[in-house]
Parts: sequence; C-alpha cells; structure tokens
Amino acid sequence: DGGITQSPKYLFRKEGQNVTLSCEQNLNHDAMYWYRQDPGQGLRLIYYSQIVNDFQKGDIAEGYSVSREKKESFPLTVTSAQKNPTAFYLCASKPGQGSYNEQFFGPGTRLTVL
Amino acid sequence: DAKTTQPNSMESNEEEPVHLPCNHSTISGTDYIHWYRQLPSQGPEYVIHGLTSNVNNRMASLAIAEDRKSSTLILHRATLRDAAVYYCIPLNMRFGAGTRLTVKP
Repeated sequence: DGGITQSPKYLFRKEGQNVTLSCEQNLNHDAMYWYRQDPGQGLRLIYYSQIVNDFQKGDIAEGYSVSREKKESFPLTVTSAQKNPTAFYLCASKPGQGSYNEQFFGPGTRLTVL
Repeated sequence: DAKTTQPNSMESNEEEPVHLPCNHSTISGTDYIHWYRQLPSQGPEYVIHGLTSNVNNRMASLAIAEDRKSSTLILHRATLRDAAVYYCIPLNMRFGAGTRLTVKP
C-alpha cells in the first residue's frame, strides 16, 4: 500500500537531548512537509522540501533541522534549542508544489519531553 | 497572506445537512481552496478542493463565492463519523485553527 509512515508513534526524551523523527513516503511525491500541532490548535508549518537536497523554513523553524537526501525520506530533528518541543508532529507529502495538489498526511508522532 | 476566518465550533444533528463557512478575503486568483478534516490524534484527511466552480465528490460539496472571498463546505447528511475539526486552506500549506464539528445523534 502506498502511503506515509512516521515512526515512532510515541516518543519520550529528556530535556536537552536532540531527537530525530522519521518520515517516509512511497508515493513518489516531490514535496514533503513537517507540521507541529499543540493541543486544541491548528497545524503550524515547520519546514518543507520541494525537491531532493533542497528545503525551506516554514513559520516556526527555530530549534528544528531537516534533511532531504532521498526523495522518499524527510527526517526532522528537534534540537535542544527548541524551547517547548512537546507536541504532536505531522509529516505530509504532495505530488508537486502547486496549490492544485492535495496533501497526504502520516499518522503523526507525539513527542513528550520530560 | 490570505487570512482565513472560520467559526470555532458548530453543531449538527445526525442525518441533517451541515454548511461549514470560511472567509478568505485576500486569496490570490490562482490559489485553490482546500478543505481537510482531522479526527483526534490522527493526521488530517483531504476532503475536497476547488478554484472557482462548485465541486462535488463522494464526501462533500464545495460552494465557492463568485468573488472567491468565501467558500462553504457542505456535508449533505452528517453522520457521527463526520465529527472532526474541519480546516479551510486558501493559502497553500497553511492551516488555521479550523471548525470543530459536533454531530448529535
């Protein structure tokens, strides 16, 4: 089945540690995205990538880093510089950057920093 | 940026139609209007999208105002499974707070 996988579903880390969230897609999509969602809030864009080896900051990129070495993978690292990293993280992809295309979302990773 | 305004919450009775409004007064002429919905602890799910004309699919209908400054998502017969947060996205990739739809049996 084609789709987007995120792992793990739940992640616990100690304060001050970097942590990397995985996002893989087998839809052959060019564009990939990372969002953060806090309780009762909408999604906020962290980073996005339109093509391999290229990515752009979204609205809340501070304290996060990404890489796009392969078309199917777009990992997100939450660094110790992120002041309040506990949140629900969602990865998405779409065939191209144009506004016509719909986004496909993964199941999300819930990160809790203790 | 296209500013989006949606009601925080709405209620509907089961098997009745639901009209979810969205105002996007500064949308550009070439941006499609997308609607997604999200169940608790899940990723958003695509519902429908359109540019200028009204659109229908198996899930819903989308009515777009002639000036494109507003749109309405129409669920023709709400079911309990339609209870979710509905997001209107006139600006590509940017989600607002959405409308929380409650469906009463």
